[in-house]
Amino acid sequence: DVKVTQSSRYLVKRTGEKVFLECVQDMDHENMFWYRQDPGLGLRLIYFSYDVKMKEKGDIPEGYSVSREKKERFSLILESASTNQTSMYLCASGLGQGVGYTFGSGTRLTVV
Amino acid sequence: GENVEQHPSTLSVQEGDSAVIKCTYSDSASNYFPWYKQELGKRPQLIIDIRSNVGEKKDQRIAVTLNKTAKHFSLHITETQPEDSAVYFCAAITNTGNQFYFGTGTSLTVIP
Repeated sequence: DVKVTQSSRYLVKRTGEKVFLECVQDMDHENMFWYRQDPGLGLRLIYFSYDVKMKEKGDIPEGYSVSREKKERFSLILESASTNQTSMYLCASGLGQGVGYTFGSGTRLTVV
Repeated sequence: GENVEQHPSTLSVQEGDSAVIKCTYSDSASNYFPWYKQELGKRPQLIIDIRSNVGEKKDQRIAVTLNKTAKHFSLHITETQPEDSAVYFCAAITNTGNQFYFGTGTSLTVIP
């Protein structure tokens, strides 16, 4: 079974803090993704990466950056956390075309 | 890019009845359509998928149908049970794409 592990299940941060969300997968997948999930809005893609050191903006990249220094690890960075970034963040990985994703368990981030 | 619309956003059915969730997509090049189930507090998990060369696929009580001409695909759950209560997401991807486009989700409640 592919495992996608997110480092924190719950996180509370203060406005203006720099926040790191970590995601690690163990199946040598090329593609990794960060989504945020909000009620009524479904899954919105923030960034994705299809190779080490490669990244592409998704639908809502503003206020976020990412880092992929190693194939198995994809980090989401909130440069200066704001209250409107309070959300559930889901990491996913996959082989790409024609194969479903595997999701991590999610990190529920609260910015106060 | 691709646009996936999902209806209804909420659905309540009596235990034992059938449930149908419909998604439409815009890009005729999309050729793989997975469905994810997300139980409360858990990660989305792939439950069934269909490729564009197939019109229907079944797995026990769940089935997915695809109408390429009309660009829609549907999830059918028969003999619903309380444990089917969850949020269901559809998605689409093209054969040249790296990322899925998700619908906004359907919250299904099965009433015992």
